[in-house]
Amino acid sequence: DTAVSQTPKYLVTQMGNDKSIKCEQNLGHDTMYWYKQDSKKFLKIMFSYNNKELIINETVPNRFSPKSPDKAHLNLHINSLELGDSAVYFCASSPWTSGGGSSTDTQYFGPGTRLTVL
Amino acid sequence: QKEVEQDPGPLSVPEGAIVSLNCTYSNSAFQYFMWYRQYSRKGPELLMYTYSSGNKEDGRFTAQVDKSSKYISLFIRDSQPSDSATYLCAMSASRGSRLTFGEGTQLTVNP
Repeated sequence: DTAVSQTPKYLVTQMGNDKSIKCEQNLGHDTMYWYKQDSKKFLKIMFSYNNKELIINETVPNRFSPKSPDKAHLNLHINSLELGDSAVYFCASSPWTSGGGSSTDTQYFGPGTRLTVL
Repeated sequence: QKEVEQDPGPLSVPEGAIVSLNCTYSNSAFQYFMWYRQYSRKGPELLMYTYSSGNKEDGRFTAQVDKSSKYISLFIRDSQPSDSATYLCAMSASRGSRLTFGEGTQLTVNP
C-alpha cells in the first residue's frame, strides 16, 4: 500500500508541450506539497496546499499550476515545457493543519516523477 | 548565499566506521531540524526530527543541533552498506512552514 503515489514515474517530452503529473496520498493528511529536485540533488519547495487551499507559492514560473481537487490529491500541470524544467518532481504530504494542535509536520515523500524535456 | 549549506561529498567510508554529516545555516529563525535519507531513485524519507538545540538518539543515529553556532550534525555509528544513500538536512522556522533543504551529502559505506 503506497502512502504517497505519483504518476507517471518517468515523463519524456518535447519542448513546448503541456504535461501533468498526478499525486495521491492515502494517509488522510491535510497538507500536500510539490518539490523540484535538480541534477545536483537540491530539493526546493514549489507549492503547498492545506485542505485544498494554497498556502505556499514560491517563485515559480506561472507555467506551473497546481490543482487540488480534494485533500488526497494534488496535481501539477506544466505549460510550454522548457529544457530547464528537466528535474525530478516530488510530491509530499504531512498531517499538519493550519489549525495547529498536536499534529506532527513530518513530511512523507512520494517516489518522484523524473521529467526530461528534449 | 544559500540559507543552508551542506557539503555534497561524495563521502566514502568502510563498514563499521562512524560517519559525521553536517549542515550550517544562516537563518536564525529556524527552530525545527530534520535529516532525510534518500536512496537512489527514491523519495526522501525522514530519519531524525529535532526541535531547538540538543541531541536526539535513535538506534545508530544521533542528531545534534547547536543553534548558537547555527550548526547541525548527524552521526551514524557502526555504519552499514545499507546506509549508503544521500542524506539531506532540512529545517523550518515554524511547524507547517516551508522546509529549506541542504543539497545533500552522498554517502557510500563499503563492505
